[in-house]
Amino acid sequence: GAVVSQHPSWVICKSGTSVKIECRSLDFQATTMFWYRQFPKQSLMLMATSNEGSKATYEQGVEKDKFLINHASLTLSTLTVTSAHPEDSSFYICSASSAGGFTQYFGPGTRLTVL
Amino acid sequence: AQSVSQHNHHVILSEAASLELGCNYSYGGTVNLFWYVQYPGQHLQLLLKYFSGDPLVKGIKGFEAEFIKSKFSFNLRKPSVQWSDTAEYFCAATDSSYKLIFGSGTRLLVRP
Repeated sequence: GAVVSQHPSWVICKSGTSVKIECRSLDFQATTMFWYRQFPKQSLMLMATSNEGSKATYEQGVEKDKFLINHASLTLSTLTVTSAHPEDSSFYICSASSAGGFTQYFGPGTRLTVL
Repeated sequence: AQSVSQHNHHVILSEAASLELGCNYSYGGTVNLFWYVQYPGQHLQLLLKYFSGDPLVKGIKGFEAEFIKSKFSFNLRKPSVQWSDTAEYFCAATDSSYKLIFGSGTRLLVRP
């Protein structure tokens, strides 16, 4: 149980284009979903928290207009990197938790490379 | 500010050796503690968690961790490691905000 998937697993795009990453909870209802960014050989940094049907809460320093998050259903959240630039290249990981649950279950991550 | 510290960045052990990875947290009030593992090429998996009750927590794959409130610590242990335990281990903590803060991670290499 508690499986989270992400799609795509990797994506390469040109500078200036937008990329959408999907995060799905496969066997539970994810009231809350989280988006993290992981740089090489570093730990995970929380970017934003989203609750189903509500606007996402962004961490300090994360541009909400650049990283658009939508949590339209209890099983799906999307992260759209708008007007991507090479410095946005990273490993993006989502996680999900059920209502009232402190435990987060993580997806496999999406590696984004912006040329 | 809330933080989680892992002091061992790289650990190398031989098979059958005992393992202890340190984790210290800085939180006021109630804290929930986790250990996650990331095997090469795989996603983060939950090893164990502590919310309340018995401070000695047993997790999957023979791992355990002890919550010592007076030391603000939640160290991970395994009496005898295997080659398959080679991975990166992350300590993490959250409070009532549900926001999970990670330590910097410890890369464990187990030599066969």
